[in-house]
Amino acid sequence: IAGITQAPTSQILAAGRRMTLRCTQDMRHNAMYWYRQDLGLGLRLIHYSNTAGTTGKGEVPDGYSVSRANTDDFPLTLASAVPSQTSVYFCASSPEGGISNSPLHFGNGTRLTVT
Amino acid sequence: AQTVTQSQPEMSVQEAETVTLSCTYDTSESDYYLFWYKQPPSRQMILVIRQEAYKQQNATENRFSVNFQKAAKSFSLKISDSQLGDAAMYFCAYRSMNRDDKIIFGKGTRLHILP
Repeated sequence: IAGITQAPTSQILAAGRRMTLRCTQDMRHNAMYWYRQDLGLGLRLIHYSNTAGTTGKGEVPDGYSVSRANTDDFPLTLASAVPSQTSVYFCASSPEGGISNSPLHFGNGTRLTVT
Repeated sequence: AQTVTQSQPEMSVQEAETVTLSCTYDTSESDYYLFWYKQPPSRQMILVIRQEAYKQQNATENRFSVNFQKAAKSFSLKISDSQLGDAAMYFCAYRSMNRDDKIIFGKGTRLHILP
């Protein structure tokens, strides 16, 4: 089934540890996004990529990094996790970035707890 | 910068009744796209309906329709004949038509369906 796969589904992580959240899509979408969802704050954009080889910062990029080596994969890395990064993380994709009326397709999310 | 406001953190509606979820946004752009997403307890994000700002006709998808008031920057979602499966968190989202677009979400409205 075509779509977005996120891994892991959930994770408990000690503060200070490095963690990479994986995101893979098989729809050949050009644009990919990482959001975090926190109670009362909705979804906030962390980083995005309009096409392979390019990335951009969203609303809350500090403490996170991304790479886009190819079309399908868009991993999100927490270099040194802190408790405030406890959240549910969603990866999303869209056929095009930039000017487009395309909606986002979402993965099922990763629940991350930093202790 | 664009903002999206959902002023109702929670709402309840009797099964089979009609409910309207409000969404307002702030933008200086004349062309953009608006979306409503549904997030049931499964955490999956599901597109409910979309509206292009240049279209005057309100979008409709089965029991879901919008009231798009461009001058008022309002984009409310009406759910007719509410069903138990409609219980979810609903997010309003704004997509810019700028080349370096950002997709901005509201904080969400949790909808309860009363049997």
